[in-house]
Amino acid sequence: AQSVTQLDSQVPVFEEAPVELRCNYSSSVSVYLFWYVQYPNQGLQLLLKYLSGSTLVKGINGFEAEFNKSQTSFHLRKPSVHISDTAEYFCAVSFSGGYQKVTFGTGTKLQVIP
Amino acid sequence: SQTIHQWPATLVQPVGSPLSLECTVEGTSNPNLYWYRQAAGRGLQLLFYSVGIGQISSEVPQNLSASRPQDRQFILSSKKLLLSDSGFYLCAWSVSRGPSFGSGTRLTVV
Repeated sequence: AQSVTQLDSQVPVFEEAPVELRCNYSSSVSVYLFWYVQYPNQGLQLLLKYLSGSTLVKGINGFEAEFNKSQTSFHLRKPSVHISDTAEYFCAVSFSGGYQKVTFGTGTKLQVIP
Repeated sequence: SQTIHQWPATLVQPVGSPLSLECTVEGTSNPNLYWYRQAAGRGLQLLFYSVGIGQISSEVPQNLSASRPQDRQFILSSKKLLLSDSGFYLCAWSVSRGPSFGSGTRLTVV
């Protein structure tokens, strides 16, 4: 079955330290990949997306992600986090190669410690 | 530019009462529309998606239904709410990129 796995439910990290949020998916077909951020009691905001081309994708707020087809991963990274990055992050995958159906992971809560 | 409106922001309803949540999109045509539910600690669950007027796909058997009476209007309904229907409901749309989300409705069934 096709699925999206976010391996860490919570990630604490000190301010100005680097962070990596992990995302793996299972699929035998081509995929589109997304990362979203959600602040408390708000909707989700798109951080970045991979559709095709370069496997390193840069997004908003200094985040980037790398698509690794052989490892079926799309990990999110930031070299130096800020207090304002404290939020929940969701990885999402479109297995159909289009946009009709997008499946989300269970989310990773990033807690930035002063 | 495209915008998505979702209301109400919060809602408290008694068990057994009906539900109607509305979502509208502006600035685009023939979008794909989605309803997601987010329960505490459970991530986002896709409930329904629609690729056109009157076309609804249900992902999870449940107490809810969806309708798309107009191109840019998506409605989530229930005839009788259950306690388990409590959660954060998010409407989203997409055309040529990943889904863009509304601000959500916090539903509490009491």
